[in-house]
Formats: sequence, C-alpha cells, structure tokens
Amino acid sequence: EPEVTQTPSHQVTQMGQEVILRCVPISNHLYFYWYRQILGQKVEFLVSFYNNEISEKSEIFDDQFSVERPDGSNFTLKIRSTKLEDSAMYFCASTTDSYEQYFGPGTRLTVT
Amino acid sequence: SQQGEEDPQALSIQEGENATMNCSYKTSINNLQWYRQNSGRGLVHLILIRSNEREKHSGRLRVTLDTSKKSSSLLITASRAADTASYFCATVSNTGGFKTIFGAGTRLFVKA
Repeated sequence: EPEVTQTPSHQVTQMGQEVILRCVPISNHLYFYWYRQILGQKVEFLVSFYNNEISEKSEIFDDQFSVERPDGSNFTLKIRSTKLEDSAMYFCASTTDSYEQYFGPGTRLTVT
Repeated sequence: SQQGEEDPQALSIQEGENATMNCSYKTSINNLQWYRQNSGRGLVHLILIRSNEREKHSGRLRVTLDTSKKSSSLLITASRAADTASYFCATVSNTGGFKTIFGAGTRLFVKA
C-alpha cells in the first residue's frame, strides 16, 4: 500500500540553524500539508500546498518557514533560523481531492 | 472553546463496551474527519463526513454530524484493547485553502 514517507525521523539542531524536513507524498496525490505537534499538545496546521503554490497557511507559518516541491516527488519544509519553541513533531500529509489525508510517520525536531 | 474541541479529554472503558467521543467546532466547514494516533506515531484517517451528511458508518465506527449545533460524535462499538489511542476530530474549512484544524483529542484507554 502506498504511504507517505518522511526523513529524517529525528533531527537535532542548534538554535539559529536552518533545517530542511523532507517528505515524499503518495505519488498520485495533489494536495500537500505540513503540521506540527508539540509534545502532549494537539496537531497544528502549518500550510497547505496545491498546484505548486501555497493554498493556505496558519499564523504559525511566518517568514521563518517555507515550503517547496523541488521535483515531482519531494515536498520540503524549511525553517530558516530555528528557535527552541520549534521543537516538535512535524507531520507531512497528502491527499487527492477526497480530503482524506494520509500522514507520514513524522520527523521529531529537537532544537537545543 | 477552540475549533475542533473534543470531549471527554480522556476515557477509560472495559473491552466490549462502547466509546463515545464528541467534537465541537465554530466555523463553517466543508467536512469533518476523525483520526487516530497511537502514542508517538503518525495519524491514521478513520472516517470523513461531509457537511451535507448526518451519519456515516465504517465497520465498528459510527460518526454523526449536526451542523446546526456545530458538533460531531464518534462511536466505537464493542471496543478492543487495540483501540487504545488518541482520537482527534479535524475540520476542513470552506475557504478553499484546505485548512484543517485539529482538536485537542480524546485519549481512549480500553482495558482488557
């Protein structure tokens, strides 16, 4: 069964460093998402992406964040200058037009 | 309450019993979805109900939606120990940007 994959599974970085989180969505999916989940808290929407552009973004998704689909398979989330409060699980998801989102296993980002 | 708030926050039942979780939301939606998350893992889509639907079934799951009250419920019948997980409702907005808002979740514990 096709699945969304994410790399790395765990990323440790120092405050102020740039990180790129990578996702490979399911191949025939058209809509892509990034979410984050701070430990013990709810899943928070960051951004949705369709047709090579951002469809919608949340208040969390400020100028420090960017997304890209550099080729036909990868979907990346870049955090330009990480802060301690960026420590969280980051989930990628994809869907066709059916709204049922398929989530990846997540990347645990630890900012020290 | 926030968009997509569930209650109860935690629920502990015996195997074989039914589990009911509720979700309330504030804004207009295109659809509402329920997801399951095992500890430290990604989210798994369970069921989607569109704004023009009132009830939907999938196996042991039954979802209702009352758009006049902006609320939904998820019923798991004949629960099993393997149903132990966190359950989240998620609302997809009508804005066209596919913004998906998750609630805080209900932690379900099914005792064998």
